[in-house]
Amino acid sequence: QSVLTQPPSASGTPGQRVTISCSGSSSNIGNNIVNWYQQLPGTAPKLLIYNTNQRPSGVPDRFSGSKSGTSASLAISGLQSEDEADYYCASWDDSLIGWVFGGGTKLTVL
Amino acid sequence: QVQLQQSGPGLVKPSQTLSLTCAISGDSVSSNSAAWNWIRQSPSRGLEWLGRTYYRSKWYSAYSVSVKSRITIKADTSRNQFSLQLNSVTPEDTAVYYCARGPQWLVPWGQGTLVTVSS
Repeated sequence: QSVLTQPPSASGTPGQRVTISCSGSSSNIGNNIVNWYQQLPGTAPKLLIYNTNQRPSGVPDRFSGSKSGTSASLAISGLQSEDEADYYCASWDDSLIGWVFGGGTKLTVL
Repeated sequence: QVQLQQSGPGLVKPSQTLSLTCAISGDSVSSNSAAWNWIRQSPSRGLEWLGRTYYRSKWYSAYSVSVKSRITIKADTSRNQFSLQLNSVTPEDTAVYYCARGPQWLVPWGQGTLVTVSS
């Protein structure tokens, strides 16, 4: 029962655009930035999007983030097989005074 | 670039103390712009932030309410590392434990340590 709500799975074919949603509340997403992490099997999460819509150096511009109110989204365009991974949203929670995460979305490239 | 290297036992007996260390290279644990976090991941609880320590003219620590009575995160400036101690562990504490640098986003992460709580 994660504080942030994500769909457990998403899928798409190569070249398609997929979006992953992340729903929170006024104490987290509504009042703070959102970060997204990509986790490949057997590895640690890696920062994918920071400050809601910024990409770290080396992350392709196929990945983009946005936020509206208490929800955020991660969009992946031009889907590639190497994008198959688990994706997590995260935000600081002012009530819990700590980082909160989504339950993760497993992306399958068909 | 900043790198984090975790160390510590992978097996802990119930009721004992879980202890992990995260060695920092490319940054200082005493940096005034960093925060040093511990996060764990399990199938039942997902990603769970445990706490952090940071230096802003003096040392601060902050902990998740879920473990606040059992956890200590401390910096070791002589070795440029920080540590996690979780007391009175139960099988529910079995998870992969990660260290990570903050404060506003978590990057990088350590390689992860699978800690199993079992007799």
